[in-house]
Amino acid sequence: SQTIHQWPATLVQPVGSPLSLECTVEGTSNPNLYWYRQAAGRGLQLLFYSVGIGQISSEVPQNLSASRPQDRQFILSSKKLLLSDSGFYLCAWSVSGRNTIYFGEGSWLTVV
Amino acid sequence: RKEVEQDPGPFNVPEGATVAFNCTYSNSASQSFFWYRQDCRKEPKLLMSVYSSGNEDGRFTAQLNRASQYISLLIRDSKLSDSATYLCVVSHGGGADGLTFGKGTHLIIQP
Repeated sequence: SQTIHQWPATLVQPVGSPLSLECTVEGTSNPNLYWYRQAAGRGLQLLFYSVGIGQISSEVPQNLSASRPQDRQFILSSKKLLLSDSGFYLCAWSVSGRNTIYFGEGSWLTVV
Repeated sequence: RKEVEQDPGPFNVPEGATVAFNCTYSNSASQSFFWYRQDCRKEPKLLMSVYSSGNEDGRFTAQLNRASQYISLLIRDSKLSDSATYLCVVSHGGGADGLTFGKGTHLIIQP
């Protein structure tokens, strides 16, 4: 069966510091991969999605970036965090071309 | 008008009761519909897809009304473990990058 993991689960970072969240999927090949953010009182916001290695589409302009160095690995990064970057970050995957999506455990980011 | 709207609640319901809540969507071309369940500080998990003819999974029944552009979720014989936030998800077609999530309805089952 397919599994998805992301880490770290929780982190507290100072403003201006870098960020790296990592996500891996097991049990499937060539998945579509996604990064979402869920801020307090708001719905899930799609940040990036990827249909293949090195292919990244950005949905929202921000100081975040994403990379997909391997088929089942997706990384969310920032060079300098802002207070407004605080939130719950979720990695997700779907079968290519399908619209049923499955989430990782999530990463709670607090920027102080 | 927001694309996907849900009553945020909370819905406070006694254990064993039946509860139902709706979700409205604005895009008449929407093609696929889902309900996800999200526990506090956890990731959303797929509860069920919503089919045109309606579908049932144990105590849970999902309905789609295309004419009025809403989907519904009904929970019978509610359990304490049903307490969660229920997210409505609508797809405009294509892959999962075309999904729009509602903000969720918070359900509290009381003993």
